[in-house]
Amino acid sequence: ETGVTQSPTHLIKTRGQQVTLRCSSQSGHNTVSWYQQALGQGPQFIFQYYREEENGRGNFPPRFSGLQFPNYSSELNVNALELDDSALYLCASISRNKDTQYFGPGTRLTVL
Amino acid sequence: GENVEQHPSTLSVQEGDSAVIKCTYSDSASNYFPWYKQELGKRPQLIIDIRSNVGEKKDQRIAVTLNKTAKHFSLHITETQPEDSAVYFCAALSGAGSYQLTFGKGTKLSVIP
Repeated sequence: ETGVTQSPTHLIKTRGQQVTLRCSSQSGHNTVSWYQQALGQGPQFIFQYYREEENGRGNFPPRFSGLQFPNYSSELNVNALELDDSALYLCASISRNKDTQYFGPGTRLTVL
Repeated sequence: GENVEQHPSTLSVQEGDSAVIKCTYSDSASNYFPWYKQELGKRPQLIIDIRSNVGEKKDQRIAVTLNKTAKHFSLHITETQPEDSAVYFCAALSGAGSYQLTFGKGTKLSVIP
């Protein structure tokens, strides 16, 4: 396995609510990316964190926000949930050479 | 930004045959191309990758080729086995500032025993 963990495994929310997803990166990796994977699609880049700062963002609205902590673990927060936010949310721990990315098991979010 | 196209979307092969999946990318600055295998309900698992300074890489039954001029790369699986059945994703890494992967839409490979 990759050593990348995510919690929770599954989550059910209703429209308008807020959610926080968590990720612990592989030991020694100081960069983490978050991806959204809708059913039947490839993962889409949300944003990346490096040393506690956002270091790039994909085409997602500001209600998607994140944090990275001194131990390099990370959170993804989504406000004002919409039905289309239902997806598998993956975090990826990025190696020190900045290319190889190892995915966690994901959090399956369902918005009703 | 980067755009990755992947073909075919589905592929069925007989056990023991070879499978080939092809991807094209648009950003000439992309320099790293991983392939992931995703089984149903599981995380994408890195199976092989190639960097832009290499034309071909092989790992047992799996190989990847890269043509930088044509901006395409391919995954080759030989002697396929039923456990190779999964969805395969290609991706390209844009190194401009942030290191984001752009993925293809995936290929569902079915290996028929």
